[in-house]
Amino acid sequence: QQQVKQSPQSLIVQKGGISIINCAYENTAFDYFPWYQQFPGKGPALLIAIRPDVSEKKEGRFTISFNKSAKQFSLHIMDSQPGDSATYFCAALLAGRRALTFGSGTRLQVQP
Amino acid sequence: GEEVAQTPKHLVRGEGQKAKLYCAPIKGHSYVFWYQQVLKNEFKFLISFQNENVFDETGMPKERFSAKCLPNSPCSLEIQATKLEDSAVYFCASSRTFGEWNTEAFFGQGTRLTVV
Repeated sequence: QQQVKQSPQSLIVQKGGISIINCAYENTAFDYFPWYQQFPGKGPALLIAIRPDVSEKKEGRFTISFNKSAKQFSLHIMDSQPGDSATYFCAALLAGRRALTFGSGTRLQVQP
Repeated sequence: GEEVAQTPKHLVRGEGQKAKLYCAPIKGHSYVFWYQQVLKNEFKFLISFQNENVFDETGMPKERFSAKCLPNSPCSLEIQATKLEDSAVYFCASSRTFGEWNTEAFFGQGTRLTVV
């Protein structure tokens, strides 16, 4: 049973455009929602994270929007650059458990 | 160290052979996690440790997988009698003991296990 559903599976965006990746979760006990960026041959690296008591968090070109009632959250990458081309994973953490539940990943390609 | 170090980077084993993977967490981090990433990018949580104690092993296959984190040694993940379906990239991650919400996990570069 997949507890965190991520879409789209792949995304092609032009340089300078906005990339949007969506995730939906089922378990209301999740209390920490990070996004990870993974380049080929590398481990995932934390990009940005949010708690459910906040509706939006922005760090540079990256923004998380969080909708607690809909149990959805999304990553927005503004002014997308070719260097942003990577696979992005949303994740969720159950309080006290510490192990992440990952979405299935979105392969982003930013065309120059 | 300042990064999670995993060895080896690549490992090839014949079906039925044993595979052993190693992970040195970031110094000062109390928690170690093992995840399996299969070809479709899906991450599967295997096991976590708080120092040398198993914290959560709900993802560990019962029969052939085992893991340890002993003091002053790298953590290890061992697969006895490997099967083709064990082919995956195995990631180790570590995190410091923060408050409940701030649980950034730092990942190593992974060990790619190929079972032939």
